[in-house]
Amino acid sequence: GQQVMQIPQYQHVQEGEDFTTYCNSSTTLSNIQWYKQRPGGHPVFLIQLVKSGEVKKQKRLTFQFGEAKKNSSLHITATQTTDVGTYFCAGNAGGTSYGKLTFGQGTILTVHP
Amino acid sequence: ETGVTQTPRHLVMGMTNKKSLKCEQHLGHNAMYWYKQSAKKPLELMFVYNFKEQTENNSVPSRFSPECPNSSHLFLHLHTLQPEDSALYLCASSPGTSGANVLTFGAGSRLTVL
Repeated sequence: GQQVMQIPQYQHVQEGEDFTTYCNSSTTLSNIQWYKQRPGGHPVFLIQLVKSGEVKKQKRLTFQFGEAKKNSSLHITATQTTDVGTYFCAGNAGGTSYGKLTFGQGTILTVHP
Repeated sequence: ETGVTQTPRHLVMGMTNKKSLKCEQHLGHNAMYWYKQSAKKPLELMFVYNFKEQTENNSVPSRFSPECPNSSHLFLHLHTLQPEDSALYLCASSPGTSGANVLTFGAGSRLTVL
């Protein structure tokens, strides 16, 4: 079945440093979504990417979808303590798996002030 | 209330107990989901309901029994659970079930099985 791998599993940064998490799928994706879960909270939708090579920005966050639509990344510039949490990607393979999002295992980000 | 509401937020139960988790969404969505979140594991999809009909059962053990009386309410009935079932159970909803639909999650029910 479809697998979505996310690396790294953990990332510790000093406030002000940049952070990147990578998501790789075993199959070509129709679309990919990113969610953030604060400590003790629940996943909250951040963004969806659909087009090959798509790049979207939200303030300090930059999301990319690979040309082959099998990988994606989330980059945070100049991290802040409010960025702490777990970042999940979720891929949709479409086809026979249409309607089923497969989540990566998440990257836990810690930001030291 | 808006969004997706889950009750109870915390539940402790013995292996012989029967309990239920409740989820209610006020977003007018047609699809509702149960996910299991265990430590150091990806979110695991358990069940999907679309217009009250179950469209996905991800090989979940029968000790978990879902119920969806209408598009706004979803229950997860629990009986004879095992300690390894301790986890955060997340309910989510979306407008439809296509993979392009965005999930709105509830705050979760933290379950501990003794």
